[in-house]
Amino acid sequence: SQQGEEDPQALSIQEGENATMNCSYKTSINNLQWYRQNSGRGLVHLILIRSNEREKHSGRLRVTLDTSKKSSSLLITASRAADTASYFCATDARSQGNLIFGKGTKLSVKP
Amino acid sequence: DAGITQSPRHKVTETGTPVTLRCHQTENHRYMYWYRQDPGHGLRLIHYSYGVKDTDKGEVSDGYSVSRSKTEDFLLTLESATSSQTSVYFCAISESGSGEISYEQYFGPGTRLTVT
Repeated sequence: SQQGEEDPQALSIQEGENATMNCSYKTSINNLQWYRQNSGRGLVHLILIRSNEREKHSGRLRVTLDTSKKSSSLLITASRAADTASYFCATDARSQGNLIFGKGTKLSVKP
Repeated sequence: DAGITQSPRHKVTETGTPVTLRCHQTENHRYMYWYRQDPGHGLRLIHYSYGVKDTDKGEVSDGYSVSRSKTEDFLLTLESATSSQTSVYFCAISESGSGEISYEQYFGPGTRLTVT
């Protein structure tokens, strides 16, 4: 069963704009992670946020976590064409033991 | 993809034939995973290993078996391939497991398997 669900499924923006993707999950977690997948490639880890953290930054990435709403958001600022990829959230559920991945948001950044 | 290789990268096989996919790592990470990725389903865990000869089932393990005789190699076997096993298969590794401090997973480049 799917633990994390990303929203929207697809997002198209212009270069320079910000992109926001959301992830909702169902059960208590130890941490939540975001991954990027370029077409035809494996997933690449972007950022991990623990359940006791509310916000984390890494370069142009900003991740927030709201455990009361069981949701997270990934913000990419000043997007570039190279940010075009699918983005997945993955949750480390306390009850389950392994990472569970959502179905992803497909981001297209037009030059 | 550094430190993780998968072979073969592409394979076409017939229904009913056995298929083995190999994942090789040079990072000496304890945990290794096999996922399959299908449109509309995202990434689903097939089997994972938490040490040499220590393996366990994931969400979609039916029809698959695994073996890990060395730290660096994790094999996924389809005993008798079916068309429903047509997919892209990813291997991943991590230093630690669920609930531990650092739990990032690092993925291989994937194997595209077609069962005709």
